[in-house]
Amino acid sequence: ILNVEQSPQSLHVQEGDSTNFTCSFPSSNFYALHWYRWETAKSPEALFVMTLNGDEKKKGRISATLNTKEGYSYLYIKGSQPEDSATYLCAFGRRETSGSRLTFGEGTQLTVNP
Amino acid sequence: GAGVSQSPSNKVTEKGKDVELRCDPISGHTALYWYRQSLGQGLEFLIYFQGNSAPDKSGLPSDRFSAERTGGSVSTLTIQRTQQEDSAVYLCASSPRVAGGKNEQFFGPGTRLTVL
Repeated sequence: ILNVEQSPQSLHVQEGDSTNFTCSFPSSNFYALHWYRWETAKSPEALFVMTLNGDEKKKGRISATLNTKEGYSYLYIKGSQPEDSATYLCAFGRRETSGSRLTFGEGTQLTVNP
Repeated sequence: GAGVSQSPSNKVTEKGKDVELRCDPISGHTALYWYRQSLGQGLEFLIYFQGNSAPDKSGLPSDRFSAERTGGSVSTLTIQRTQQEDSAVYLCASSPRVAGGKNEQFFGPGTRLTVL
């Protein structure tokens, strides 16, 4: 059984705050690490796919880092806005399936209060 | 362009009935995935199709679940003799095959299944 853990489970912040979440995954057999944002009543939307140890990716105010040796990834949101409110999911793809079978964490539910 | 579509958006059925859920992937995407999210749980992998290869069915929870993909495009997930524990949101996703699991997956809006 693969364990992909996300913390915190939920988070409430004020508009303008910066925040970060953690995704931990098995450090062996790593292939890829995905981050998705899932807004209520919408489809999950890909944020990043990360494959190399030390990867850092950025999209606007959102960025992510990856440490495959210790098995964790951080997602950062700078200057949170109410529209950032969503559940943020990470998913681990392992080498023996070429990353095709993703194991998802349970997500971090972010609420940004105006 | 058109994204992944799923139908129906909501399905309420009685215990013991069969249901079919449909997924239309993005045109040209050769990989197709089915997931489900039960209440309070994370997304759970069910099945993966890639081109004409044999599907990876390792996530199907029981033999009541089956899926097919016709012509490398549309996919149908069938649940026979539904049980209350099958109630969940069923999500379909597709991705281009190039670089396999290093591609982001594009998700449909899901089908919310309720088994009474």
